Amino acid sequence: DAGVTQSPTHLIKTRGQQVTLRCSPKSGHDTVSWYQQALGQGPQFIFQYYEEEERQRGNFPDRFSGHQFPNYSSELNVNALLLGDSALYLCASSAGQVHTEAFFGQGTRLTVV
Amino acid sequence: SQQGEEDPQALSIQEGENATMNCSYKTSINNLQWYRQNSGRGLVHLILIRSNEREKHSGRLRVTLDTSKKSSSLLITASRAADTASYFCAIEDSNYQLIWGAGTKLIIKP
Repeated sequence: DAGVTQSPTHLIKTRGQQVTLRCSPKSGHDTVSWYQQALGQGPQFIFQYYEEEERQRGNFPDRFSGHQFPNYSSELNVNALLLGDSALYLCASSAGQVHTEAFFGQGTRLTVV
Repeated sequence: SQQGEEDPQALSIQEGENATMNCSYKTSINNLQWYRQNSGRGLVHLILIRSNEREKHSGRLRVTLDTSKKSSSLLITASRAADTASYFCAIEDSNYQLIWGAGTKLIIKP
């Protein structure tokens, strides 16, 4: 079991550009949640996908969007990147929408210059 | 905003000692979870305690929950160098969202 895998591991982008991050959930999991974690802070909930629909959303602007595919994998897209978007982006998968135990990937470190 | 607040922000102890971290929150909860994070990478689930539970054990971990005080504590007994990490509490609120604190950085000195 590969667990939750995220790609890429590191990424450097320029202000104003767009970025796509990818996540494959743990086998048997159908729910994917995305988090942003700034240095020295706890994760901030971005949104959750279940049955290919965004079910819940945190306090993030519309520049942050996502998608879930029929195989439960997911993408996080960020448009018009700002310096403040630099962070570790974490994907977590779980079975069903209710959080019992979330399994996290190793994250994608995004640096915006 | 982050509803969970861990205390202390950082803790440094000798190997073999016990480490205690606290988490306070503001809203009603379904459950409270503790996670560990090594070197700013992925988070590992440690233990979940439901709102109707008061204490839970898992190996060297002991978690307590006091819903009247809206607080929880994580005790790691007989600490090891490998326990060096950041520890986060995450609160599942009534909307089933996980809300996180800023974490406690634990350093175990050999």
